[in-house]
Amino acid sequence: AQSVSQHNHHVILSEAASLELGCNYSYGGTVNLFWYVQYPGQHLQLLLKYFSGDPLVKGIKGFEAEFIKSKFSFNLRKPSVQWSDTAEYFCAVSGGYGGSQGNLIFGKGTKLSVKP
Amino acid sequence: GAVVSQHPSWVICKSGTSVKIECRSLDFQATTMFWYRQFPKQSLMLMATSNEGSKATYEQGVEKDKFLINHASLTLSTLTVTSAHPEDSSFYICSARTGSGYTFGSGTRLTVV
Repeated sequence: AQSVSQHNHHVILSEAASLELGCNYSYGGTVNLFWYVQYPGQHLQLLLKYFSGDPLVKGIKGFEAEFIKSKFSFNLRKPSVQWSDTAEYFCAVSGGYGGSQGNLIFGKGTKLSVKP
Repeated sequence: GAVVSQHPSWVICKSGTSVKIECRSLDFQATTMFWYRQFPKQSLMLMATSNEGSKATYEQGVEKDKFLINHASLTLSTLTVTSAHPEDSSFYICSARTGSGYTFGSGTRLTVV
């Protein structure tokens, strides 16, 4: 069955610490991978996405993610977090080519709390 | 960018009543809309996929007679929770497919008392 697993439910960091949020997926066939962020009281926003090409993807606000096909992983990273990064982060996958095929399957989300 | 406007953002209703949630695509035509439900501390779960002008496709375990989806135009999709019960209390989010991925509504927090 198709699924997305996010390893951490809640991560607490101090400002300037480095961040890595794990995401593994189970999906047959070509995948498109996404990381979304949901700030308190706001809607989901796209951080970055991978469709094809360079497996290291850079997104907004200094985030990046690396697609490792052999590990079925798409971990999110940021070298130095800020208090404003406090939010919930969702990894998601869809199938097909071009990034817009089918529906998204989401992980359970990781809540990130950054202490000032 | 592609924007989906979802209303209401929160609603409280009595058991047995119906609630309608609207999602409008503001600057693009949404031929496909996805409706998700999110329980606390859980993932977004796809409830149904609606295509403009045709019947929605429901995921296994989702009652189509309870969660009525209408996608009569390219800019509007609605989800009506009929005869709501407390267990229907949840966070409902719509999402539309765009040319480069997906865009989401801001969500509706439904509380049934």
